[in-house]
Amino acid sequence: AQSVTQPDIHITVSEGASLELRCNYSYGATPYLFWYVQSPGQGLQLLLKYFSGDTLVQGIKGFEAEFKRSQSSFNLRKPSVHWSDAAEYFCAVAQGTNFGNEKLTFGTGTRLTIIP
Amino acid sequence: EPEVTQTPSHQVTQMGQEVILRCVPISNHLYFYWYRQILGQKVEFLVSFYNNEISEKSEIFDDQFSVERPDGSNFTLKIRSTKLEDSAMYFCASSEGVLTEAFFGQGTRLTVV
Repeated sequence: AQSVTQPDIHITVSEGASLELRCNYSYGATPYLFWYVQSPGQGLQLLLKYFSGDTLVQGIKGFEAEFKRSQSSFNLRKPSVHWSDAAEYFCAVAQGTNFGNEKLTFGTGTRLTIIP
Repeated sequence: EPEVTQTPSHQVTQMGQEVILRCVPISNHLYFYWYRQILGQKVEFLVSFYNNEISEKSEIFDDQFSVERPDGSNFTLKIRSTKLEDSAMYFCASSEGVLTEAFFGQGTRLTVV
């Protein structure tokens, strides 16, 4: 069964510093990978996704992620964080079937705190 | 920009009561989902729905749960007899086609007392 591991439960970063959130997946076939962000009391917003092609994907709000098959990783990065980036970040993997079942399996999330 | 809409935003119900959570997916989407997130835990898949039938459901989605698309625009999740452990944020999501991203609603916070 597919699974997603986010090793860091909580990360604190200074405003303006760079950020990397780790995500490792376990899936037998080619994974379809996503990063979602959840601000306090809000729903889930898609930051970026990887289906195929270029392994470095760009997303919204200045985020990017790199798919590394050899490491089973899909780490999220941002060169300079802003206070508004404080949120919970979820990595997720999807499997596709002939019936279009896109069930997402989520990681446990990483809470990002930004300090001045 | 089209969005998935969920109502109500917060529902409080007594244990044993039935609740219906409502969702209006994005209009041209064909695949519909319910997820839940117990406070402080990860988001968990409940059920997926396509072509007017359930395509997959998780172990959580037992006989107390049901889904319905009654009128071509709404997508509902019913819990027949709520338990304390059903307290969670419930997210509806929809997607356009195979392996396109799922768009999530803002969620309904269900509190069972």
